[in-house]
Amino acid sequence: QKEVEQNSGPLSVPEGAIASLNCTYSDRVSQSFFWYRQYSGKSPELIMSIYSNGDKEDGRFTAQLNKASQYVSLLIRDSQPSDSATYLCAVKNNRLAFGKGNQVVVIP
Amino acid sequence: GAGVSQSPRYKVAKRGQDVALRCDPISGHVSLFWYQQALGQGPEFLTYFQNEAQLDKSGLPSDRFFAERPEGSVSTLKIQRTQQEDSAVYLCASSFSTDTQYFGPGTRLTVL
Repeated sequence: QKEVEQNSGPLSVPEGAIASLNCTYSDRVSQSFFWYRQYSGKSPELIMSIYSNGDKEDGRFTAQLNKASQYVSLLIRDSQPSDSATYLCAVKNNRLAFGKGNQVVVIP
Repeated sequence: GAGVSQSPRYKVAKRGQDVALRCDPISGHVSLFWYQQALGQGPEFLTYFQNEAQLDKSGLPSDRFFAERPEGSVSTLKIQRTQQEDSAVYLCASSFSTDTQYFGPGTRLTVL
C-alpha cells in the first residue's frame, strides 16, 4: 500500500461548479497534511495545509481532514479555468510523501 | 524575495555520463529537500538536509546518486553513470522549518 493514495482519474468540471478531490494515507501517526497545485510543466505550489480534524477554508478552497478514517479532501468552489491543473496530496511524517495527483479540467 | 532557483533547467545527457544539478534555496531556509518526479507521478523524496547535515538520504535510489550542501546553503545533486531510468524532473524545495516547503522550478533531465 502506498503511503498516500489518490485514485481518481482526471476530473472534468464545468466552470462555476465544485471540484472534489480525495486522498487517503496509510500512516496513522501523520500530523501534517498539504494540498499542492501543479500546472503542467511547472513546480508544485502549496495551496492548503491542515493539521487538525475538520474543515479549513481559504478563499474558494476548503480542505477537510478526518484522521480516524485517514483521509483528506479538497473542495474547489466556483471552479475557474485557471484551476485546471494537477492537485497533489502530501502527508508529512518524517518526510513529505506525495500522492500521484489528480488532474482537474475546468470546462468554460 | 527570491524563491528557490535551480540550474540547469534542462539537461540532456548520454547514458553513462555524470551530471550535477544545482539548487539555491530561499535565503535563511535551513531545510533543503530533493525530489524526483517521473512523468504522471507525484514527487518522490530523495534526500533532506538541515543546514549542511544530510539527515536523511534513504530515498536515493542507488549509490550513483549523491547530494551535498557543504556550506548549508547551495546544494548539488550528482548522478554518476546516468541511466535512462534516471530521466525525470528533479525538484528542490526549501523550508524554514521542515513543514511548509517551497519548490524550485525543477531540472528536467533526459538521458539518451
